[in-house]
Amino acid sequence: KAGVTQTPRYLIKTRGQQVTLSCSPISGHRSVSWYQQTPGQGLQFLFEYFSETQRNKGNFPGRFSGRQFSNSRSEMNVSTLELGDSALYLCASSLETGPRETQYFGPGTRLLVL
Amino acid sequence: TQLLEQSPQFLSIQEGENLTVYCNSSSVFSSLQWYRQEPGEGPVLLVTVVTGGEVKKLKRLTFQFGDARKDSSLHITAAQTGDTGLYLCAAGSGGYQKVTFGTGTKLQVIP
Repeated sequence: KAGVTQTPRYLIKTRGQQVTLSCSPISGHRSVSWYQQTPGQGLQFLFEYFSETQRNKGNFPGRFSGRQFSNSRSEMNVSTLELGDSALYLCASSLETGPRETQYFGPGTRLLVL
Repeated sequence: TQLLEQSPQFLSIQEGENLTVYCNSSSVFSSLQWYRQEPGEGPVLLVTVVTGGEVKKLKRLTFQFGDARKDSSLHITAAQTGDTGLYLCAAGSGGYQKVTFGTGTKLQVIP
């Protein structure tokens, strides 16, 4: 079974631009969560989508948004990029929603904002 | 908001040594997970513990969940170079997937 895939793997943008990241979960998984990882803040929860509905949201500004499609694929969008948005963005999928579910992480998209 | 403090932040040991990593919070968890992340990859789940006092063993790794479900530890016996990586604890509460990750412990095992 193929793992979680994320595209693109690397991205360079400039301040003020917007970016869209894509995540394809493991086949059959209905929950997709997004995380931001930085050396200073560690791994922080952005949001979770389950069956096309946002179930939970972390403490990030409204510039961060996402969506999930009927095939469970998910996209994350960041508008008006800031230097501090430079990070590794990780996507994780699980069969169902819930903190005890096993989450399978993709390799991440490394975003650099100049 | 749950805060998960891990200690130590960094650990560099010789192959064959034993080590323990701690994960602490002032909040009670419904469950706690341990992950390992290697450079360039996403975290990989090692174990999930749900019951206070629970001990789980995975080969040379022993995971313990505190009786009060506020803390956890990961003990590695006879560390190997393949154990090198970032170890993260993660806790959740409620019915949804809002998982909080710990601050991380970066382990380097030197041959």
